[in-house]
Amino acid sequence: SQTIHQWPATLVQPVGSPLSLECTVEGTSNPNLYWYRQAAGRGLQLLFYSVGIGQISSEVPQNLSASRPQDRQFILSSKKLLLSDSGFYLCAWSEGLIGVREAGELFFGEGSRLTVL
Amino acid sequence: QQQVKQSPQSLIVQKGGISIINCAYENTAFDYFPWYQQFPGKGPALLIAIRPDVSEKKEGRFTISFNKSAKQFSLHIMDSQPGDSATYFCAASSGANFGNEKLTFGTGTRLTIIP
Repeated sequence: SQTIHQWPATLVQPVGSPLSLECTVEGTSNPNLYWYRQAAGRGLQLLFYSVGIGQISSEVPQNLSASRPQDRQFILSSKKLLLSDSGFYLCAWSEGLIGVREAGELFFGEGSRLTVL
Repeated sequence: QQQVKQSPQSLIVQKGGISIINCAYENTAFDYFPWYQQFPGKGPALLIAIRPDVSEKKEGRFTISFNKSAKQFSLHIMDSQPGDSATYFCAASSGANFGNEKLTFGTGTRLTIIP
């Protein structure tokens, strides 16, 4: 069966410090991978998605970047965190090649809560 | 045009009652409408989904009603139970970019079922 792991679960970082959140998927190949941010009252905002190694699409301009060094690994990074980067970050995957609409489901990790002080 | 508007923001329902959450969209290309359920501290999980070839889909106590002409869809939870207390997100996607679709999510509804 497929599983998705995301870490760390919680993180408290000072303004200006770097960030690295990691996500790995097991039990599937060529998944589509996504990073979402969840802020109170604002739903789930898609930040990045990837359909393959080294292929990253950014949905919104921001202080964050993403990388996919391996097929089932997705990393969210920042060189210098801002207060506004605080939030609940969710990694997700869907069946590759056919897209989430045809696959019918997006599978989320347990999330990483980031607090920037 | 990519937005999905969800209401209410929060909802309190008595145990055994019917919980109703509504969503509206503008993009007529949307043709896949899932609902996700999220418990505190967890990631969302797919609850139920509908495509516009049907007006209603039922799975157990959960029903999606879909009104294509009004561009609205809703989630009904019958016989609501305390275990249904969670945040619910509606979402939508289109097949316009096959294999590259993304879900557009509503802002979420925090549902609380009281005894």
